[in-house]
Amino acid sequence: GENVEQHPSTLSVQEGDSAVIKCTYSDSASNYFPWYKQELGKGPQLIIDIRSNVGEKKDQRIAVTLNKTAKHFSLHITETQPEDSAVYFCAAPRGGSYIPTFGRGTSLIVHP
Amino acid sequence: DTAVSQTPKYLVTQMGNDKSIKCEQNLGHDTMYWYKQDSKKFLKIMFSYNNKELIINETVPNRFSPKSPDKAHLNLHINSLELGDSAVYFCASSPGMGSGEQFFGPGTRLTVL
Repeated sequence: GENVEQHPSTLSVQEGDSAVIKCTYSDSASNYFPWYKQELGKGPQLIIDIRSNVGEKKDQRIAVTLNKTAKHFSLHITETQPEDSAVYFCAAPRGGSYIPTFGRGTSLIVHP
Repeated sequence: DTAVSQTPKYLVTQMGNDKSIKCEQNLGHDTMYWYKQDSKKFLKIMFSYNNKELIINETVPNRFSPKSPDKAHLNLHINSLELGDSAVYFCASSPGMGSGEQFFGPGTRLTVL
């Protein structure tokens, strides 16, 4: 099955700084890598995703990079704002399926 | 106007009781899921249904029984509740099997005393 490792578990930054969260996965057949943001008391919400045929994708202050050879992908948030404070999850599907295995989450705290 | 809704939002009950959580999605999706999130925020899939048919059952005890009366609804019934069942349960849906994005409900916080 798929094993997804996510680091760090907690990340504290000052407003305006950049934040980077990294994930590694084990199944080389995995081809879709989403990132979810979970605010307090709410369900996770997709913020960006990447498929295995591209190496990078950007959406305003958020970007995701993928290195298929090394089997890792990262979430980059620039110019962080207090409202970015949340738990972020990476995920990767088990090879040949659509069922995601989630990382253990990163609690991002952005200090004003 | 809510995409994926769950009821109730909070559920407090005694050990040994039986309880149900309801989930509805109005997105027209074919695939629905139940996830359990423990106190350390770990998200683990429990079940997946596609067009009312059970696709995935992830080593969940038999005390948990999902039911899908139609493809817009996936309910979760739990028998003989145990302390370890305390968690937040999320329902989710996606357009179909193989579709990437999952849309999550707001969660049901279950506390077993």
